[in-house]
Amino acid sequence: EAGVAQSPRYKIIEKRQSVAFWCNPISGHATLYWYQQILGQGPKLLIQFQNNGVVDDSQLPKDRFSAERLKGVDSTLKIQPAKLEDSAVYLCASRPDFNEQFFGPGTRLTVL
Amino acid sequence: AQSVTQPDIHITVSEGASLELRCNYSYGATPYLFWYVQSPGQGLQLLLKYFSGDTLVQGIKGFEAEFKRSQSSFNLRKPSVHWSDAAEYFCAVGGQTGANNLFFGTGTRLTVIP
Repeated sequence: EAGVAQSPRYKIIEKRQSVAFWCNPISGHATLYWYQQILGQGPKLLIQFQNNGVVDDSQLPKDRFSAERLKGVDSTLKIQPAKLEDSAVYLCASRPDFNEQFFGPGTRLTVL
Repeated sequence: AQSVTQPDIHITVSEGASLELRCNYSYGATPYLFWYVQSPGQGLQLLLKYFSGDTLVQGIKGFEAEFKRSQSSFNLRKPSVHWSDAAEYFCAVGGQTGANNLFFGTGTRLTVIP
């Protein structure tokens, strides 16, 4: 069974630029999460989707971050414009009903 | 409020020695508890989970954890550490209903010396 796929794996941008991350969850997993993991910290939830609907985006900085999950499968997370403090690893995870979350390898973002 | 505390930021053990990583949680309902491991440049891999039943759970790679409700703890143990166990370890708590979001601790970095 293929795992959660993310791309790109690494991205370096300058502040005020925009960036987008892509996630392909495990087939059949209805729930998808985006986490932000700042160096030295644990992952923090940004947004949760159930199929193509948003369940929780209370921690998403909506002035600069946006996310969508078209057709309830793939998802993209966008930052526009990026700030220095957005430097982090962005993790995507998916979950079948009532089970643990499966994580992708993450995208490491560096904002200069 | 939900929270997870991992009091040890960094632990160093000798290869072959036993290991215990501490985790304390705060959660308003019956918790689901998890331990994940993260190697450099990698995503999170699930080591073990506790949902209900036997409070001593076995995981992959020889790890085990014990849920102690009275102490709000879910400590991770391994009787004999291998050099390949060097990584970052995260404890997480989630709910049994609703959104089932995970709240992570800040992690414990494990160094294994020969």
